[in-house]
Amino acid sequence: DQQVKQNSPSLSVQEGRISILNCDYTNSMFDYFLWYKKYPAEGPTFLISISSIKDKNEDGRFTVFLNKSAKHLSLHIVPSQPGDSAVYFCAASGSNTGTASKLTFGTGTRLQVTL
Amino acid sequence: DTGVSQDPRHKITKRGQNVTFRCDPISEHNRLYWYRQTLGQGPEFLTYFQNEAQLEKSRLLSDRFSAERPKGSFSTLEIQRTEQGDSAMYLCASTAVGTQYFGPGTRLTVL
Repeated sequence: DQQVKQNSPSLSVQEGRISILNCDYTNSMFDYFLWYKKYPAEGPTFLISISSIKDKNEDGRFTVFLNKSAKHLSLHIVPSQPGDSAVYFCAASGSNTGTASKLTFGTGTRLQVTL
Repeated sequence: DTGVSQDPRHKITKRGQNVTFRCDPISEHNRLYWYRQTLGQGPEFLTYFQNEAQLEKSRLLSDRFSAERPKGSFSTLEIQRTEQGDSAMYLCASTAVGTQYFGPGTRLTVL
């Protein structure tokens, strides 16, 4: 039962353009969402998060949008840079899902930013 | 560097051997988590500590797995009688509240 889904395994974007990574979830108890970036042989690095009381959160080149009614969130990266090439994971947690802050991850989207 | 650290970074072992991994969380973080990541998948939750108390274990954590956090600081994850299916990246994360910060992981290969 995949509660967090990233349906695009890969995405290629030209440098300077916008990258949009998508994530869907099924558990309505999730109320906190995060995006992590991962390079090979390293642990996930936190990028940005959003609480369910908001629909948008922005941090520099990164913006996360949350659509609770559609159970969908997206990460926008503008402008995309070659150093953004990595695997991006969407994760979710919920105060009512049992373990405090246990994260449920999607399967990841590999972003490649080309010159 | 005050991030989460894990040791060793890589471990190769033969099937049937026991292995132990260590995680040192960010010093002021009272919550510590273990996750496992296999190829093509996202990290999956294994177990969770608040201070020294282990509060939840995933059903992924068979009886060959044991985790401890004896003084509420560092944690160890031991796998007994390793199997080839245990090959994965084992990740540790810590938090005070909210965002979890991950260590670099321990890559386990069981031959």
